[in-house]
Amino acid sequence: EVQLVESGGGLVQPGESLRLSCAASGFTFSIYSMDWVRQAPGKGLEWVSYISSSGTTIYYADSVKGRFTISRDNAKNSLYLQMNSLRVEDTAVYYCVRAGTNLLLDYWGQGTLVTVSS
Amino acid sequence: DIQMTQSPSTLSASVGDRVTITCRASQSISSWLAWYQQKPGKAPNLLIYKASSLESGVPSRFSGSGSGTEFTLTISSLQPDDFATYYCQQYNSRWTFGQGTKVEIK
Repeated sequence: EVQLVESGGGLVQPGESLRLSCAASGFTFSIYSMDWVRQAPGKGLEWVSYISSSGTTIYYADSVKGRFTISRDNAKNSLYLQMNSLRVEDTAVYYCVRAGTNLLLDYWGQGTLVTVSS
Repeated sequence: DIQMTQSPSTLSASVGDRVTITCRASQSISSWLAWYQQKPGKAPNLLIYKASSLESGVPSRFSGSGSGTEFTLTISSLQPDDFATYYCQQYNSRWTFGQGTKVEIK
């Protein structure tokens, strides 16, 4: 069974940093691309970032480019999102998502809440 | 960037109703469209991929159609468990979601 478990969320002040982690199990993590998708409270879904299976190809949404860094450790079956210079508008539940065949977002974690507030 | 527009934003329906949700892409995405169901406090759940392919384990009352820029999700006979928010999403060029359609009890 595919499992994605996010951690690292919490309450931070504007301008601070946070690192999210996602532990993957139930599939061969090293051959799948992965994404982060977020959802602000009461709002819709917003794609945040993508990383290829080897980590060589990375994309970011314009809203986080230059502030967020996606990475992975295939030996640890783990995905990360380093979030710097956090803003109030970054407040959201952050989901770790597997990109399957044709980069379809097929399996989602349960999410971790990031709250940016003074 | 490809924009996705869903309609309606909210839909009030009764158990047993046939429900249709529409999704429009700002440019052609071929059939690279997925539909997700999300319930409060839960992660989205994949229902349909490649516009019309039913994900394993999803009830057959859900169906998808369309290609290019116009797509629909149909629930043939709404069940109590189907009251939720539905999102379309293109994966032709990176990933973009529609704004969601909340299906409410009438």
